[in-house]
Amino acid sequence: KNQVEQSPQSLIILEGKNCTLQCNYTVSPFSNLRWYKQDTGRGPVSLTIMTFSENTKSNGRYTATLDADTKQSSLHITASQLSDSASYICVVSANPRDYKLSFGAGTTVTVRA
Amino acid sequence: EAGVVQSPRYKIIEKKQPVAFWCNPISGHNTLYWYRQNLGQGPELLIRYENEEAVDDSQLPKDRFSAERLKGVDSTLKIQPAELGDSAVYLCASSQTGDRVNTEAFFGQGTRLTVV
Repeated sequence: KNQVEQSPQSLIILEGKNCTLQCNYTVSPFSNLRWYKQDTGRGPVSLTIMTFSENTKSNGRYTATLDADTKQSSLHITASQLSDSASYICVVSANPRDYKLSFGAGTTVTVRA
Repeated sequence: EAGVVQSPRYKIIEKKQPVAFWCNPISGHNTLYWYRQNLGQGPELLIRYENEEAVDDSQLPKDRFSAERLKGVDSTLKIQPAELGDSAVYLCASSQTGDRVNTEAFFGQGTRLTVV
């Protein structure tokens, strides 16, 4: 069973609208959580990284939240643009010393005009 | 600054043939990773290098996969012989060694392998 579960698997939104992606994890101990954006045919690019003590972090129109007690994170996209169409992957790091990353399967976001 | 460079971008081969992928990490990054990403899935680690040493290859199918990182810089990943199930995107990533709590991995564009 994957230790990082993302939902929904995919979603379609209209340009200008907001959306929220969910990530639940069971990885323990917890070191940090990252959200990556992966455009079609590209490698993942980091959007945010949060450690145990952080519960929100923003990067432009992307805002990530983290609840380490419930092991949940969300990524909120505000005022979506066509260029936001991509797969968004939640990645959890368990141990800072061996740097083992657990990847979610991703949420595919399609923004339509 | 150049990012992680991978080649080729695409490769189509017949099953049972060998194939090799090449990765040039970001300059100064001691840690290098090879991941395999199946369609609709997140990347799965195949092997991780610290300099020239493979420190985690537990997920590498060693009967047909091999990797090397000579001189601790560039790396190659080889599959011999390839099987239909090896069709996937192979991603290379690199990161600096040090404060791992905030260390970020930078990914290349990947090599899309199709085995027919």
